[in-house]
Amino acid sequence: GAGVSQTPSNKVTEKGKYVELRCDPISGHTALYWYRQSLGQGPEFLIYFQGTGAADDSGLPNDRFFAVRPEGSVSTLKIQRTERGDSAVYLCASSPSPWTGAGEQFFGPGTRLTVL
Amino acid sequence: DAKTTQPTSMDCAEGRAANLPCNHSTISGNEYVYWYRQIHSQGPQYIIHGLKNNETNEMASLIITEDRKSSTLILPHATLRDTAVYYCIVRAAGGSQGNLIFGKGTKLSVKP
Repeated sequence: GAGVSQTPSNKVTEKGKYVELRCDPISGHTALYWYRQSLGQGPEFLIYFQGTGAADDSGLPNDRFFAVRPEGSVSTLKIQRTERGDSAVYLCASSPSPWTGAGEQFFGPGTRLTVL
Repeated sequence: DAKTTQPTSMDCAEGRAANLPCNHSTISGNEYVYWYRQIHSQGPQYIIHGLKNNETNEMASLIITEDRKSSTLILPHATLRDTAVYYCIVRAAGGSQGNLIFGKGTKLSVKP
């Protein structure tokens, strides 16, 4: 079956611009996660959705970052006034139910964002 | 901060067993041990998880010490395609948070 998909695969933008990154989770998965991965580092948590609501947004670095999941399926990560330090791979993951510690998260291939 | 300690890198000969260690000396009683791996330019992939008992699936085996302060992931017959960064993660069940906390992992290089 189809896995988690993310679009675009690569995004190059200029400092100060606005970008949107899209995640299509596995059909039926209620939980959705966004992570950010800088070169040579492990993924870093950004935000977790359970259904339409953000259950935990403690990882968002500042108010330039925002994410939505209006219908409980597709999610969009939005970054305003991009900075060069925002350059990273943005990963999305989904899981079939609220976190119980007894299941896995399925990751997409990521969107590589480059801010010039 | 990550709650685990892993070696930065390891090498393994193709066809041999790869044994990847992980220390998690502050693990709590309700925390699971998870292993994920990340092949270059791909998203992380779940491998296996366990609480107390040793676990085995089609990909790997997980050996957890009796005091649960460390564990070993075993790839029984490593292939070149197993070259990846392997992450050991401890995570409690339940709660409102859903995130995995990744460290830097172990870069495993399988050599012919």
